[in-house]
Amino acid sequence: DTEVTQTPKHLVMGMTNKKSLKCEQHMGHRAMYWYKQKAKKPPELMFVYSYEKLSINESVPSRFSPECPNSSLLNLHLHALQPEDSALYLCATREGLGGDEQYFGPGTRLTVT
Amino acid sequence: GQNIDQPTEMTATEGAIVQINCTYQTSGFNGLFWYQQHAGEAPTFLSYNVLDGLEEKGRFSSFLSRSKGYSYLLLKELQMKDSASYLCAVRNTGGFKTIFGAGTRLFVKA
Repeated sequence: DTEVTQTPKHLVMGMTNKKSLKCEQHMGHRAMYWYKQKAKKPPELMFVYSYEKLSINESVPSRFSPECPNSSLLNLHLHALQPEDSALYLCATREGLGGDEQYFGPGTRLTVT
Repeated sequence: GQNIDQPTEMTATEGAIVQINCTYQTSGFNGLFWYQQHAGEAPTFLSYNVLDGLEEKGRFSSFLSRSKGYSYLLLKELQMKDSASYLCAVRNTGGFKTIFGAGTRLFVKA
């Protein structure tokens, strides 16, 4: 199984809503990432988890809250978002420090109204 | 600072060869990646270079010169489906962070 899955595929939420994005992998990869990608822009790193511990937070606003409940799951909790947070949110995994490529999930297209 | 430069757009003809260049200046280096991304989809891995030289994989080849901070992706026998964005990305020394360039949008015409 070389797949990273993300749910939901699309999400529309209001600025007062609370929602969560989910990412799942069963490759045994120990590094998991959240990226944000705006149209015609490259993916921007948000968070990195290594062995289920938060390793990197790229100064992301607190309205985004990551969680790694176990080695297969990565969540991104959303609260009080702004319209400019509308983007494609990508989850990615790597085998670990010794691994090479990142495997990306299909992404969640988020629209904040 | 960290900077990755690649051309914004390129156009090429079906069946031809195209070379997409990437130059980088990063605080550390632990490998360079090329990804393909179709509009609205996730990036997919194409190649990885950590040592100088050429890596060939089917119709795709990637070259790296660490001393020059330079890489290119070579696509041969272009097909219409190769129309996509091609992202150059550099991994830092610590190994966790991968910095992406802005991407090159390739248009393949008949």
